[in-house]
Amino acid sequence: NAGVTQTPKFQVLKTGQSMTLQCAQDMNHNSMYWYRQDPGMGLRLIYYSASEGTTDKGEVPNGYNVSRLNKREFSLRLESAAPSQTSVYFCASNIAGYNSPLHFGNGTRLTVT
Amino acid sequence: GQQVMQIPQYQHVQEGEDFTTYCNSSTTLSNIQWYKQRPGGHPVFLIQLVKSGEVKKQKRLTFQFGEAKKNSSLHITATQTTDVGTYFCAGHSGGGADGLTFGKGTHLIIQP
Repeated sequence: NAGVTQTPKFQVLKTGQSMTLQCAQDMNHNSMYWYRQDPGMGLRLIYYSASEGTTDKGEVPNGYNVSRLNKREFSLRLESAAPSQTSVYFCASNIAGYNSPLHFGNGTRLTVT
Repeated sequence: GQQVMQIPQYQHVQEGEDFTTYCNSSTTLSNIQWYKQRPGGHPVFLIQLVKSGEVKKQKRLTFQFGEAKKNSSLHITATQTTDVGTYFCAGHSGGGADGLTFGKGTHLIIQP
């Protein structure tokens, strides 16, 4: 049982490059989330997917797009990376909604130069 | 929008001393969750509180949810080096399907 798996673990991009962060969970969870973590800022929600086939914006969605490929997979895409997107990105999942525990992946450390 | 404030940002304690972190919301919360993140790691769920005035204990950790459901606290008795990390609260005001709002966390640093 792997839980929540994120790839890659580390990535360095140049300004303007694009990339997709992958996330998969094997817990049969309905909801999946993307958070970014910056020093002194805590965890901020980028996008979430309450169930397969739906996605919604969180607190800081600008510059990102997401795809809920199926129940297991939820990807985050940066179309044109900017230095302000340098951060640690965490994918999380839970059974459903805001009153069940979040299970986090190990994170992707992204640097944009 | 909903805001969750957490204090202090940093707390240095001697091993064996107690530690408390506080979480305050600008709106009434339907629930509050607490997470721990070890240095270089990912957040790990500790507990959820739902009822007004609720108190839950996990060994040396005591969690409280305020009567008005706008504040919460985590208290650790007799800290150990394994308690090092950042403690986050996260809450939701109810209504809609948006995710949890996290506080900025309290970094616990323990000096042996």
